[in-house]
Amino acid sequence: DTGVSQNPRHKITKRGQNVTFRCDPISEHNRLYWYRQTLGQGPEFLTYFQNEAQLEKSRLLSDRFSAERPKGSFSTLEIQRTEQGDSAMYLCASSPLATSLVRETQYFGPGTRLLVL
Amino acid sequence: DAKTTQPNSMESNEEEPVHLPCNHSTISGTDYIHWYRQLPSQGPEYVIHGLTSNVNNRMASLAIAEDRKSSTLILHRATLRDAAVYYCILNPNNAGNMLTFGGGTRLMVKP
Repeated sequence: DTGVSQNPRHKITKRGQNVTFRCDPISEHNRLYWYRQTLGQGPEFLTYFQNEAQLEKSRLLSDRFSAERPKGSFSTLEIQRTEQGDSAMYLCASSPLATSLVRETQYFGPGTRLLVL
Repeated sequence: DAKTTQPNSMESNEEEPVHLPCNHSTISGTDYIHWYRQLPSQGPEYVIHGLTSNVNNRMASLAIAEDRKSSTLILHRATLRDAAVYYCILNPNNAGNMLTFGGGTRLMVKP
């Protein structure tokens, strides 16, 4: 169990550019979540997948944001035409499906810090 | 979504117990109380959760009021490594839904 990994860890881009982040969940975790965290605030939910199906999207996820999880394993989050307000930490989490023996806890990655100049 | 209220910050001395309060007066019968913490420059990590009864694990204890309108996370002996932001979150039906984080409590531990 190597934990949730995210790449890159840091990204600096110019306004208007597109960026893509990758998240590799803990293997065999069915659920994968994306959150965004700005300085001094708690994380805010963006979207989540169960296997390859995107089941819920926050209203925070504007049409410039798109997330995929093509084979139910890793996921990508793309932001098109970045704006300065997109500067934040983007966190990924994964969880197993709960059973009587397994608790449905979310395990977070270290995040990708995005700075839009 | 049911809301939680926590103090913005708290201070503790190393090796002393810490009691982190959380108010959730609008909690519903199926809301589980979860606690996560976020160490500096890291993603949040699960600490503990409960429904009605007090809970203990290797990291902490969770004391839940009889009316469930408040709870307290207890760190029995704070260490410098416990300095973090602690989030109290209500999770409906303990299901795999999104977590709704508030502002949390920033715990500072003094040596």
